[in-house]
Amino acid sequence: SQTIHQWPATLVQPVGSPLSLECTVEGTSNPNLYWYRQAAGRGLQLLFYSVGIGQISSEVPQNLSASRPQDWQFILSSKKLLLSDSGFYLCAWSVDRWNTEAFFGQGTRLTVV
Amino acid sequence: GENVEQHPSTLSVQEGDSAVIKCTYSDSASNYFPWYKQELGKRPQLIIDIRSNVGEKKDQRIAVTLNKTAKHFSLHITETQPEDSAVYFCAASKAGGSYIPTFGRGTSLIVHP
Repeated sequence: SQTIHQWPATLVQPVGSPLSLECTVEGTSNPNLYWYRQAAGRGLQLLFYSVGIGQISSEVPQNLSASRPQDWQFILSSKKLLLSDSGFYLCAWSVDRWNTEAFFGQGTRLTVV
Repeated sequence: GENVEQHPSTLSVQEGDSAVIKCTYSDSASNYFPWYKQELGKRPQLIIDIRSNVGEKKDQRIAVTLNKTAKHFSLHITETQPEDSAVYFCAASKAGGSYIPTFGRGTSLIVHP
């Protein structure tokens, strides 16, 4: 069966520090991968998605970047965090363009102080 | 791109009452409409979905209806229970096309015992 792992679960970082959140998916090949941010208003904002290794699409301009160095690995990064980067970050995957149900990781609660 | 509007943002009901959450979408090519439930501090999980070739789908106490002409779909929960309290998200995507799911802003459902 497929599983998705996301870590860490919580993170407190000072303003200006770097960020690296990692997400891995097991049990499936070539999944579509997504990073969402859920701010205080509860909405799920799509940040990045990837359809394959090295293929990253950004939905909104921001202080963040994403990379997919392996088929099963999706990384969210920042060189210098801002206070506004605080939020709940969710990684998700779906099978392919025909099976679009999203399976979410446990999420990372990021607080920038 | 697709735009999904979700209402209400907060819904408070008494245990045993019914709850209805409504969503509208903008892209007539969207053909897959899932609903996710997110309990406090946890990941969103799929509870029911509907495809554009179906007008209604039921699963025990929950049902989803779709009106393609009006481009809206709704989640119905009957005989609500306290454990139904959560944030519910609707989403729309085009399976087989530009399949990236677009989420509504979420509805916080509170079921009072």
